[in-house]
Amino acid sequence: EPEVTQTPSHQVTQMGQEVILRCVPISNHLYFYWYRQILGQKVEFLVSFYNNEISEKSEIFDDQFSVERPDGSNFTLKIRSTKLEDSAMYFCASIASGTKETQYFGPGTRLLVL
Amino acid sequence: AQSVTQLGSHVSVSEGALVLLRCNYSSSVPPYLFWYVQYPNQGLQLLLKYTSAATLVKGINGFEAEFKKSETSFHLTKPSAHMSDAAEYFCAVSLTGGGNKLTFGTGTQLKVEL
Repeated sequence: EPEVTQTPSHQVTQMGQEVILRCVPISNHLYFYWYRQILGQKVEFLVSFYNNEISEKSEIFDDQFSVERPDGSNFTLKIRSTKLEDSAMYFCASIASGTKETQYFGPGTRLLVL
Repeated sequence: AQSVTQLGSHVSVSEGALVLLRCNYSSSVPPYLFWYVQYPNQGLQLLLKYTSAATLVKGINGFEAEFKKSETSFHLTKPSAHMSDAAEYFCAVSLTGGGNKLTFGTGTQLKVEL
């Protein structure tokens, strides 16, 4: 069964460093998402991406964050200058099309900012 | 705007007992509702979804949920708990035609005891 993959599974970085989290959505999917889950808290929406542009973003998704689909398969989340509070599990999700389709989630990248 | 409230951050049941996880939603338009399960160190897996068809929805692993508009609820049930059901369960809502952004509840940790 097709699945969303994410790399790396774990990332440790120093505060102020840039990180890039990578996702490979399911191949025929058209809508892509990033969510994050701070330890012990709920999963929060960050951004949605369709047709090579951001379709919606949350308050969390400030100028430090950016997303890109550099080729036909990868979908990346970049944090330019990480802060301690960026430590979280980051989930990528994708959806085929239409409003009734299921979002398929990747296994997540656990980011720790020291 | 939409929101989800999950009553009970921790629920403990005996193996073989009924599982009931509560979810109430708030939405300005007819919602789509989802239950996801998260096993330790894994991503989010869809259990079931309501997308304005039948109000009683059956999912994987013997789970089901009933959409009750009058009560703005979408509680998750399973007649007989199994040890393998121990996990965290998240209720989520998206707006119809809302770009499929998911808004999650805070989650319920289900513990199954012998």
